[in-house]
Amino acid sequence: NAGVTQTPKFQVLKTGQSMTLQCAQDMNHNSMYWYRQDPGMGLRLIYYSASEGTTDKGEVPNGYNVSRLNKREFSLRLESAAPSQTSVYFCASSSDGANYGYTFGSGTRLTVV
Amino acid sequence: GESVGLHLPTLSVQEGDNSIINCAYSNSASDYFIWYKQESGKGPQFIIDIRSNMDKRQGQRVTVLLNKTVKHLSLQIAATQPGDSAVYFCAESGTGNQFYFGTGTSLTVIP
Repeated sequence: NAGVTQTPKFQVLKTGQSMTLQCAQDMNHNSMYWYRQDPGMGLRLIYYSASEGTTDKGEVPNGYNVSRLNKREFSLRLESAAPSQTSVYFCASSSDGANYGYTFGSGTRLTVV
Repeated sequence: GESVGLHLPTLSVQEGDNSIINCAYSNSASDYFIWYKQESGKGPQFIIDIRSNMDKRQGQRVTVLLNKTVKHLSLQIAATQPGDSAVYFCAESGTGNQFYFGTGTSLTVIP
């Protein structure tokens, strides 16, 4: 089915470990996004990529890096995980930035102990 | 950043009744708004959108109302069903190619 695919679905890390969250979309969308969702905080933008080859910081970029590998794939990397990064991470894509709605992936639940 | 808020964090309704979920936004320059539904363990799902040149838009059992004078957005769900139980988010378009999301309202439908 067409959509946004995220891997893994669940992950437990120890403080200081690194990992990469993968995201791929097959809708030929130009824009891709990484959000984190915490209780009572709504969705907060970490990084986004308006088009292939570009990335920009969102509201909460500290502790994260991203790579827009190609038009389909946008990865999020935690270089040294901290307990404050325990959250649910969502990847999303859009055909034309904030002019159309996003399609979200099903999320990655990350716990840092 | 932008602030998007919801008047009520939780809402319980009887099956078959109509539901109204409210949202306040702060940026009068926002020109596009979306309502999302998020079921437990899933990502947000697009429900309905509205642009600032409209004040009402209807979908299947859902209606979004936009009052730009008081910067208020609402989502009306007709004949609420158990499958409507979820968290509902409003989002407004902002600068820099992004949306700003509210904290969500949890809707519970009582059979």
